[in-house]
Amino acid sequence: GAGVSQSPSNKVTEKGKDVELRCDPISGHTALYWYRQSLGQGLEFLIYFQGNSAPDKSGLPSDRFSAERTGGSVSTLTIQRTQQEDSAVYLCASSLEWGPTYEQYFGPGTRLTVT
Amino acid sequence: DAKTTQPPSMDCAEGRAANLPCNHSTISGNEYVYWYRQIHSQGPQYIIHGLKNNETNEMASLIITEDRKSSTLILPHATLRDTAVYYCIVRGRGLTGGGNKLTFGTGTQLKVEL
Repeated sequence: GAGVSQSPSNKVTEKGKDVELRCDPISGHTALYWYRQSLGQGLEFLIYFQGNSAPDKSGLPSDRFSAERTGGSVSTLTIQRTQQEDSAVYLCASSLEWGPTYEQYFGPGTRLTVT
Repeated sequence: DAKTTQPPSMDCAEGRAANLPCNHSTISGNEYVYWYRQIHSQGPQYIIHGLKNNETNEMASLIITEDRKSSTLILPHATLRDTAVYYCIVRGRGLTGGGNKLTFGTGTQLKVEL
């Protein structure tokens, strides 16, 4: 079946511009996660959505970062006034339900480059 | 979530079994052991997970010691396509954060060679 998809696959933007990154989770998955991976670094958790519950935003690095999930499916991660340190691969994952017994499946990522 | 320790790199001959160790000496009774891998420039790929018992699927086997302080991921017949960074992750049951997010360490770079 279809996996997690993300768009665009690559995004180059100028410092100070806003960007939107999109994630389409696996159909029927209620939990959705955003992570980012900077060059040569491990994955860093950003935000988590589960059904209609309030999202866990504990990993967002600043108030320039926000995310929403519409209709319990597609999610958009928005970065306002991008900075060079925002350059990274942004990864989305989804799982059937929340909790440690449910594996997360990752998309291919969006590579963001801020010039 | 408990911390994990993995060797930074390992080599394996193609066709041989690759045995990747992981220490998680502070794991608690309700925490799961997960393994993911990341092939260069791709998103992480789920491999297997377990709580107490050994697990096997089409990709790999997971052996967890009786005291649960360490585990080994076994790729029975490694191929060149198994070259990747392998992450061992301990994941708890927290209602917020702990049971939901994955905390990735630096992993083991497995290189499969002819």
